[in-house]
Amino acid sequence: DAGITQSPRHKVTETGTPVTLRCHQTENHRYMYWYRQDPGHGLRLIHYSYGVKDTDKGEVSDGYSVSRSKTEDFLLTLESATSSQTSVYFCAISDGSSGNTIYFGEGSWLTVV
Amino acid sequence: GNSVTQMEGPVTLSEEAFLTINCTYTATGYPSLFWYVQYPGEGLQLLLKATKADDKGSNKGFEATYRKETTSFHLEKGSVQVSDSAVYFCALSGWAAGNKLTFGGGTRVLVKP
Repeated sequence: DAGITQSPRHKVTETGTPVTLRCHQTENHRYMYWYRQDPGHGLRLIHYSYGVKDTDKGEVSDGYSVSRSKTEDFLLTLESATSSQTSVYFCAISDGSSGNTIYFGEGSWLTVV
Repeated sequence: GNSVTQMEGPVTLSEEAFLTINCTYTATGYPSLFWYVQYPGEGLQLLLKATKADDKGSNKGFEATYRKETTSFHLEKGSVQVSDSAVYFCALSGWAAGNKLTFGGGTRVLVKP
């Protein structure tokens, strides 16, 4: 199994509060990703990183920010959580080579009430 | 942009039945194609992949062939087991570096004894 740890695994938070999800990898892969999973939508890319301090938006980036200060850590922040951000969040990693596998973490279940 | 369309579920089968899950894609260039599986409460695991036209990916009795002429990557298994009950995702990664995955909506498969 790829060395990916997500924390917290489960969180309930109130609308309007900030929330940070952490992804930690031990594979020294260059690329890291945050996806969200919602029924009927599969997984959708929120943000990704292609190196330390290098990040870019995915298809559903509104309301989210990310940071990567070290190769091994990629943080996803919801500045002011809303009920529409209730979802399962998956971190993924890749070495970025064409056709190479992307490995996923076990997910973080976030409920915004 | 890239897109993946897969058949909606749920698909309910009896043990030892034949399984097919259709997947078609739209992409520029030469994408790599993947099938991921998600068991209840878990993250996504790579099931199989194909990186060029006419390649056949296979794993655990599952197979899929990369058909560029029909832009398809259908998943098949000849004899399913109860343990194959899961959600299956078809995905592609584009030609550009970074391997950002585009997912289909997922197909839930339920195998009954």
